[in-house]
Amino acid sequence: AQKVTQAQTEISVVEKEDVTLDCVYETRDTTYYLFWYKQPPSGELVFLIRRNSFDEQNEISGRYSWNFQKSTSSFNFTITASQVVDSAVYFCAPPSGNTGKLIFGQGTTLQVKP
Amino acid sequence: DAGVTQSPTHLIKTRGQQVTLRCSPKSGHDTVSWYQQALGQGPQFIFQYYEEEERQRGNFPDRFSGHQYPNYSSELNVNALLLGDSALYLCASGLGEGTGELFFGEGSRLTVL
Repeated sequence: AQKVTQAQTEISVVEKEDVTLDCVYETRDTTYYLFWYKQPPSGELVFLIRRNSFDEQNEISGRYSWNFQKSTSSFNFTITASQVVDSAVYFCAPPSGNTGKLIFGQGTTLQVKP
Repeated sequence: DAGVTQSPTHLIKTRGQQVTLRCSPKSGHDTVSWYQQALGQGPQFIFQYYEEEERQRGNFPDRFSGHQYPNYSSELNVNALLLGDSALYLCASGLGEGTGELFFGEGSRLTVL
């Protein structure tokens, strides 16, 4: 069975702090993808990144970076120098098998205070 | 380049009624999936349409049905509404049935009284 866990329910930081959101994905599959989405108060899920389990190199995009460690089944997301506009719910979501069916966890609510 | 568009954005129904939600996929996409998101929860997969057929289905009763048209747009129908159907309904579009990037619309918020 596949299971995605985002243990942090809510995180609150002050603007300009760095923050890391954790995601653990348990699966018997040897290869898989993982997605990260951001959901601001407007409700739309915004695609951030898709990574393949083959690639454990850190991915950096501006203030965002992702660290994928297959040995621990973790796919963590770091925001550097957080901003108020980063306030949102963040979801880590693996697909079910080789399909477009995404499995969402509970998400992590990030609040960035000015 | 238009993204995923959904309508209506908000609607209120009473128990037992039926509702139809609509989705137009992102330009160039041919697959549409529907998700239900209850307040404070992550989205739950309802079903996926590709080539006008339901290809996958989540753990939802037959009251939830859908359709995909030749222009790739899609509808989600829910019959005999229950209070528990109150949620944000999200549409996602992609290319093909695989694990490519999925883009979501802003959703239709349904309230059942």
